[in-house]
Amino acid sequence: DAGVIQSPRHEVTEMGQEVTLRCKPISGHNSLFWYRQTMMRGLELLIYFNNNVPIDDSGMPEDRFSAKMPNASFSTLKIQPSEPRDSAVYFCASSFGQNYGYTFGSGTRLTVV
Amino acid sequence: DAKTTQPTSMDCAEGRAANLPCNHSTISGNEYVYWYRQIHSQGPQYIIHGLKNNETNEMASLIITEDRKSSTLILPHATLRDTAVYYCAFTGGGNKLTFGTGTQLKVEL
Repeated sequence: DAGVIQSPRHEVTEMGQEVTLRCKPISGHNSLFWYRQTMMRGLELLIYFNNNVPIDDSGMPEDRFSAKMPNASFSTLKIQPSEPRDSAVYFCASSFGQNYGYTFGSGTRLTVV
Repeated sequence: DAKTTQPTSMDCAEGRAANLPCNHSTISGNEYVYWYRQIHSQGPQYIIHGLKNNETNEMASLIITEDRKSSTLILPHATLRDTAVYYCAFTGGGNKLTFGTGTQLKVEL
């Protein structure tokens, strides 16, 4: 199993541009999570999906952020327009359920200049 | 959701046991306790989890107090490669995993 796969690993973009982060969860996992990590705020849950349906997006900071999960093997996190304060490492994780562990991807380091 | 308190940093001598505490006084009955570690900016790595009983695996042991208000992660023989930030975390609210602020463990010779 290749684990949770995120792309790109690094993204540098100019303020105002659209950014799309991608995630492929582990096959068979029915829950997918997007986290953001910064020095100031630590690991924050942005949104999570169960069976491709968004369940809790209360962590999404602003309307500039949106996430989709069109099928069980793919999810995107989009920021439009991006701002310098969005610079962070974004992690995707997937799980069978709360008693089965959560597997994280390697993350996407986003820098908005 | 439970709120967590962890020491900011700890030191441990190589070969000795590292005991990392986490307070979670507001934990509810259906929230699992999870421990992860993170080395540099890699993705968090799963270590162990439990609900009420103590747990042990090849990496570590998890001791949960009877009232479930605190837990301790034990690395029985710490090595230099165990230097990392260790997070306790909690499930709840339908399956989401919420992280604490983490403890920077430094293992030294």
